[in-house]
Amino acid sequence: QVQLKESGPGLVQPSQTLSLTCTVSGFSLTSYNVHWVRQPPGKGLEWMGRMRYNGDTSYNSALKSRLSISRDTSKNQVFLKMNSLQTDDTGTYYCTRDRGSWGFAYWGQGTLVTVSS
Amino acid sequence: DTVLTQSPALAVSPGERVSISCRASEGVNSYMHWYQQKPGQQPKLLIYKASNLASGVPARFSGSGSGTDFTLTIDPVEADDTATYFCQQSWNDPPTFGAGTKLELK
Repeated sequence: QVQLKESGPGLVQPSQTLSLTCTVSGFSLTSYNVHWVRQPPGKGLEWMGRMRYNGDTSYNSALKSRLSISRDTSKNQVFLKMNSLQTDDTGTYYCTRDRGSWGFAYWGQGTLVTVSS
Repeated sequence: DTVLTQSPALAVSPGERVSISCRASEGVNSYMHWYQQKPGQQPKLLIYKASNLASGVPARFSGSGSGTDFTLTIDPVEADDTATYFCQQSWNDPPTFGAGTKLELK
């Protein structure tokens, strides 16, 4: 079955770089798009960016200068790197897979990232 | 970016019917999707493309709308439906989410 799982450090210091990994199973990264979505505590969902099935990437314009998404298809992993973290980057980070334009059908459990010194 | 506007909160009694609205700042065709999120859990897709029930979702949930105005209806509401409901559009890039409607049961 389709599964996604995020991993990474739970605590990041201000101004440092966040590195997260999304490990997927049950589908091929060369067939489906994988997205990153984040959620500050008690707030709504923010789309961050996507890794398309063909290797292309797209980013939220508000984060584009700080964000990079890449992948390793041999390891079934998608990576997120975001630099210059501040306290308002604290939240739960999800990776999710779409079904074309039919919504985000599959989600990881999320990983909580706290930005604090 | 396409802004999606949802009412912040609703309170209903079990057994009642509730409608949650989502208005888009520009047309999104029928590419509106609805998610349910319970505390501490990831979002769950309920409705895709405005009116299609996702796999395993009870038929008490339904969706309608096109263009800029969309509605998620739960009928009848059950105690387990206490959650926050988000709309999301995928017609215009980037994908965007509404701020969520928190549904509470009386």
